[in-house]
Amino acid sequence: DGGITQSPKYLFRKEGQNVTLSCEQNLNHDAMYWYRQDPGQGLRLIYYSQIVNDFQKGDIAEGYSVSREKKESFPLTVTSAQKNPTAFYLCASRDRTYEAFFGQGTRLTVV
Amino acid sequence: QKEVEQNSGPLSVPEGAIASLNCTYSDRGSQSFFWYRQYSGKSPELIMFIYSNGDKEDGRFTAQLNKASQYVSLLIRDSQPSDSATYLCAVVDYKLSFGAGTTVTVRA
Repeated sequence: DGGITQSPKYLFRKEGQNVTLSCEQNLNHDAMYWYRQDPGQGLRLIYYSQIVNDFQKGDIAEGYSVSREKKESFPLTVTSAQKNPTAFYLCASRDRTYEAFFGQGTRLTVV
Repeated sequence: QKEVEQNSGPLSVPEGAIASLNCTYSDRGSQSFFWYRQYSGKSPELIMFIYSNGDKEDGRFTAQLNKASQYVSLLIRDSQPSDSATYLCAVVDYKLSFGAGTTVTVRA
């Protein structure tokens, strides 16, 4: 089955630690996106990539980093510079002319 | 000005009524518009997409687009308790931007 997979579902981060969220898709989509969602809020764009080896900052990129070495994969690293990382993180992929499909999300908590 | 703005809600409607959701966008060059539904703790799922001016109907849902006014709306007819969710408007220009969402509660 084609789809988009995020892992892990739950992640706990200690203060000062970097963590990486995985996002893999087998839909052959060119574009991939990372969003952050806080309770009661909409989706805020962190980074997006429209093609392999290229990515752009979104609205809230500070404290985050990404890579796009393969078409199927778009991992997000939450660095220690992100002071308030507790949130629900959503990855999406999209064909150029159609809707975006979302993964199941990763819920990150600082402990 | 935010790129995508939605009526803030929350919106409470009785079962069987029409729920009306509104969205405005700032980039006049935007071409594709989507409505997603998100249940609490879950990822968004697509309800409707619309590319052309006018109305598009799919079952109990109708999307309306007016590019001149930079306005897109979603009507939910015969609202059911299962429609209780947050509805997100999304706009594609050179990226995919979402509004803050409108939470709808359908009262039985």
